[in-house]
Amino acid sequence: GAGVSQSPRYKVTKRGQDVALRCDPISGHVSLYWYRQALGQGPEFLTYFNYEAQQDKSGLPNDRFSAERPEGSISTLTIQRTEQRDSAMYRCASSSGVGQETDATNEKLFFGSGTQLSVL
Amino acid sequence: GENVEQHPSTLSVQEGDSAVIKCTYSDSASNYFPWYKQELGKRPQLIIDIRSNVGEKKDQRIAVTLNKTAKHFSLHITETQPEDSAVYFCAASIGRASKIIFGSGTRLSIRP
Repeated sequence: GAGVSQSPRYKVTKRGQDVALRCDPISGHVSLYWYRQALGQGPEFLTYFNYEAQQDKSGLPNDRFSAERPEGSISTLTIQRTEQRDSAMYRCASSSGVGQETDATNEKLFFGSGTQLSVL
Repeated sequence: GENVEQHPSTLSVQEGDSAVIKCTYSDSASNYFPWYKQELGKRPQLIIDIRSNVGEKKDQRIAVTLNKTAKHFSLHITETQPEDSAVYFCAASIGRASKIIFGSGTRLSIRP
């Protein structure tokens, strides 16, 4: 597709259930990011990948959250034993490449439409 | 720690006037500073970005300035129009890595 695709668009689940959120980045994009965005707030960094390697997972709130990108393309963010406080918009973004010193082109982030997660 | 602070949180300007949004960052090694616009119910979209080897960049009515010494950067919108109403986010790369963190946003309203 032409842009970053996320599924599902909406997810309603009961507390204690596991959820898996999918991100399909722009074809050929090396870097893939996961953010969480509360209503009226800025995107909160969770984790990011270059190719299949998870470069930084310092933003994951706790060990119930994990992410993978096994083949360097599609990524899945998994939340185990969901809690009400996990309710938020989860956004994926991708960029074309690892940052270079003089060229900002490959650091431009393109966001998906997000998955709105509601934990009841 | 890694931090990007943004202010004001809300801004209302008369149509045709200028709007300025300011951000500060904590990591002196940060070298990439994008700005995003998010309309209600939509995804954030990049409107302009700047690298640390440049002090200012313009694109029509939008400009960004960077002061590396003071570790702050600003977004300037001139001749504001109703369609400029949105939430604007600044962001900064952390160190020389690709990790990008965002400010808390500024809700800009343009009064007719």
